[in-house]
Amino acid sequence: QKEVEQNSGPLSVPEGAIASLNCTYSDRVSQSFFWYRQYSGKSPELIMSIYSNGDKEDGRFTAQLNKASQYVSLLIRDSQPSDSATYLCAVTGNQFYFGTGTSLTVIP
Amino acid sequence: SAVISQKPSRDICQRGTSLTIQCQVDSQVTMMFWYRQQPGQSLTLIATANQGSEATYESGFVIDKFPISRPNLTFSTLTVSNMSPEDSSIYLCSVGGRENSYEQYFGPGTRLTVT
Repeated sequence: QKEVEQNSGPLSVPEGAIASLNCTYSDRVSQSFFWYRQYSGKSPELIMSIYSNGDKEDGRFTAQLNKASQYVSLLIRDSQPSDSATYLCAVTGNQFYFGTGTSLTVIP
Repeated sequence: SAVISQKPSRDICQRGTSLTIQCQVDSQVTMMFWYRQQPGQSLTLIATANQGSEATYESGFVIDKFPISRPNLTFSTLTVSNMSPEDSSIYLCSVGGRENSYEQYFGPGTRLTVT
């Protein structure tokens, strides 16, 4: 079992819709959770971090964490074509683990 | 967050040769890391670059193949030695964020092609 699992997609949503990206992790001692956005040919960019159960909102982005169920999600409201990218989930426990990423395409 | 630069941004090398990649940060950072990202894949941690001591390598990566230097708190190098086509990848350095936050910020990467 991989430490961090994501649906590879591709996920396509129309412009203005909500994009929902999900991530599960296996290490129950994980304490810190991150979402990175990676445009094609570019390096990953940190967009959200979350450390406690519940929701954390930052502009159009909302990260949700449920430690009991071992999942973390990212919601993107009012999706824009510029949101089209691969989104990587990262989790820290004893080590820093990245998921394989979900490719998101926002269709104008 | 810190501004991170890498040199070179890309290179094409012949098998059997070595390439040294530089990572420069505009402020002192405690934690620096080196990752590899192969085409279509996620990030794989190669090693943690420790200032003043030997790097800490992850399983599957060895110092003879990927020697790392960390002479100070703003600079590190990764050398890819005796390259083969399987080493073709993007190599990324990252730095830690706020103390105890576990955040990481990435440099722009070095795209390496081995022929």
